[in-house]
Amino acid sequence: KQEVTQIPAALSVPEGENLVLNCSFTDSAIYNLQWFRQDPGKGLTSLLLIQSSQREQTSGRLNASLDKSSGRSTLYIAASQPGDSATYLCAVRPGAGNNRKLIWGLGTSLAVNP
Amino acid sequence: GAGVSQSPSNKVTEKGKDVELRCDPISGHTALYWYRQSLGQGLEFLIYFQGNSAPDKSGLPSDRFSAERTGGSVSTLTIQRTQQEDSAVYLCASSPPSGRNEQYFGPGTRLTVT
Repeated sequence: KQEVTQIPAALSVPEGENLVLNCSFTDSAIYNLQWFRQDPGKGLTSLLLIQSSQREQTSGRLNASLDKSSGRSTLYIAASQPGDSATYLCAVRPGAGNNRKLIWGLGTSLAVNP
Repeated sequence: GAGVSQSPSNKVTEKGKDVELRCDPISGHTALYWYRQSLGQGLEFLIYFQGNSAPDKSGLPSDRFSAERTGGSVSTLTIQRTQQEDSAVYLCASSPPSGRNEQYFGPGTRLTVT
C-alpha cells in the first residue's frame, strides 16, 4: 500500500532563506508526483508535476526533484518570501494506466517571517 | 480562463439533514474528482468521474454519500442524513484529457454539521 510522508510537519524561517521540503513514498512504482500549495481557507494550487521519467522540474524560485528508486522528492524554495507562507502538499499518482487516484501526504506548514 | 468553482463556500447544517455540494469544473476537462479534507488529516479521495465511463466510487465512506455528474460537466455531491463526523472541507478538482493528470482544485466547501 502506497504511503506518503512529509517532513517536517511545520517549518518557520526568516525571509530570504533557501529551504527544502521533503516528501517520501513507500512504493517506487509511481506514474507522477505533484506538489501543491494550500493557503488557509482556500483550495489547492498546483505548483509542479514531475513525471516518473523526469528527475526535476523548475518554476521560478521553485525546484522539485524526484528520486524514484529511493522513494523521495524534495521541493526547494529559493530566497523565501512571506508570501510563500502556506501548507505544501505532496501527492503521488500510483503506477501506470488508468489509476488516477492521488495518494497524499499530510503537508508541511511553512511560515516565512519578515 | 475560469477555474474550478464550488458552491456553497460554507454550509452549516443540522445532524440528520441532507446536503448537496456543487462543483463546476474547468471547461473541457474530462476528469472530475471529489476529495474530503478533515481537520488534521490528509486529503481523502471520495469519487472520480472520467468522461462517460462509470465513476470510481471506491472512496465513498458510506452509502449516505453519492455523486452525479450531469452532461459531463457539473457535479453534485450529496450527503444524506448528515453526521457530525461528516464535517470537513470538500474539495473538487478537474483535469484535462492529457495523460499527465494535473489536477486543478476549486476553493472547497466547508461543511459543518451541528
